[in-house]
Formats: sequence, C-alpha cells, structure tokens
Amino acid sequence: DADVTQTPRNRITKTGKRIMLECSQTKGHDRMYWYRQDPGLGLRLIYYSFDVKDINKGEISDGYSVSRQAQAKFSLSLESAIPNQTALYFCATSRTYNEQFFGPGTRLTVL
Amino acid sequence: QKEVEQNSGPLSVPEGAIASLNCTYSDRGSQSFFWYRQYSGKSPELIMFIYSNGDKEDGRFTAQLNKASQYVSLLIRDSQPSDSATYLCARGQGGSEKLVFGKGTKLTVNP
Repeated sequence: DADVTQTPRNRITKTGKRIMLECSQTKGHDRMYWYRQDPGLGLRLIYYSFDVKDINKGEISDGYSVSRQAQAKFSLSLESAIPNQTALYFCATSRTYNEQFFGPGTRLTVL
Repeated sequence: QKEVEQNSGPLSVPEGAIASLNCTYSDRGSQSFFWYRQYSGKSPELIMFIYSNGDKEDGRFTAQLNKASQYVSLLIRDSQPSDSATYLCARGQGGSEKLVFGKGTKLTVNP
C-alpha cells in the first residue's frame, strides 16, 4: 500500500463550488504539506503543518484553507473554486525538513 | 527573481552520455539542496540531497554544490532512456521546514 495517499485522484468541479482534497499517510511523519503544480510555474507551497496544532501559510494560501484532523490526515479545501485553481495538487510528508515524500497527486479542473 | 533558477530545457542527450543539470539560488542562507525526479503525470521522487560543498555520488548520479557561487548541479552518467523526466531542484534553509523548488528541467535521453 502507498505510504501517502490522496483522494480524489481526479476531480472536475464548477466555479463557486466548495471542494475538499484529502491526504492520508502511514509513514508516521509529523510534517505535512500541500503544493500545487502548474505548467511552467513549478511546485508552489500552499500550506504546511508541523503537527496537529500547527498550521502555517505557504507561498500561495489565498483561496485555500486546511485542516489537520490527525497526525496522519491533512485536508485542503477550496472555499469557492475558481478556474485559475485548476492545477495538479500534491500532498507531501516529512520526518525532518529534509526529505519530503509526495503523494500521487490530485488533478483538479475548475470549469 | 525566483529564488531557485533552472533552465527549463528541454535538454536532450544520447543514451550513454553524461547529462548535466544546473541550478542556481539566490538565498545565501540556504543550507540543503535536493534533486527530485518527476516522470510525466507522476509525483516527484527524491534522488539526491547535498549539504556540503563538493561532490556527492550515488550510483550513476553525482550532485555538486558550490555555495560560494550559489549553484548546485546534478550529473547523470551513462544516461538511459528511463532517465527521461523533469528534474526539480529545491533548496531548504536551516531552521526552516520549507523547501523552495525551481521550475524544473526536462531531460530527454534518446536511444
């Protein structure tokens, strides 16, 4: 079984809809991250969490919110989806700040 | 100026050749550097990390770091078609839990 899982893997939604992307991990890592990847722009950090009680904004947090329900679960929400949030979203985990392990990604399309 | 700069490529090399991927960074406080490989449609996977000036070798891969010149490179010896992917350079900073990624260099190894 995969160490870092993301659901859904693909999602098509409409402008204005609220959507949640979920990430679960069995690696026992405290640190979890959400990134988005756009062609030509690389990976950009949205939010990160060092433990259940710690949430931090990343480079591009506007329009997103997160919830760390447990050590193993970190969810990303788009409160009111807009077309420019169409992207590939990755969750990642790490034990230290060094090596991050990425989930398989969620391809989100906002129409 | 983007903190981590990479040539977007594509870089094309023949099978068996040495592929050289380069990355420069602007933050002199950066202490750790990472190379991730990302196949099309897949998630990034860590292949090398380096903290100290000089070379670090792992199989066919060699990472080179020059902090004075603020560049890090990845050499792939005896390139194989299976090495064809986008290579992401990232830097971390001491005490920071965040990585900053470059946009990636697309490598194609031709049989």
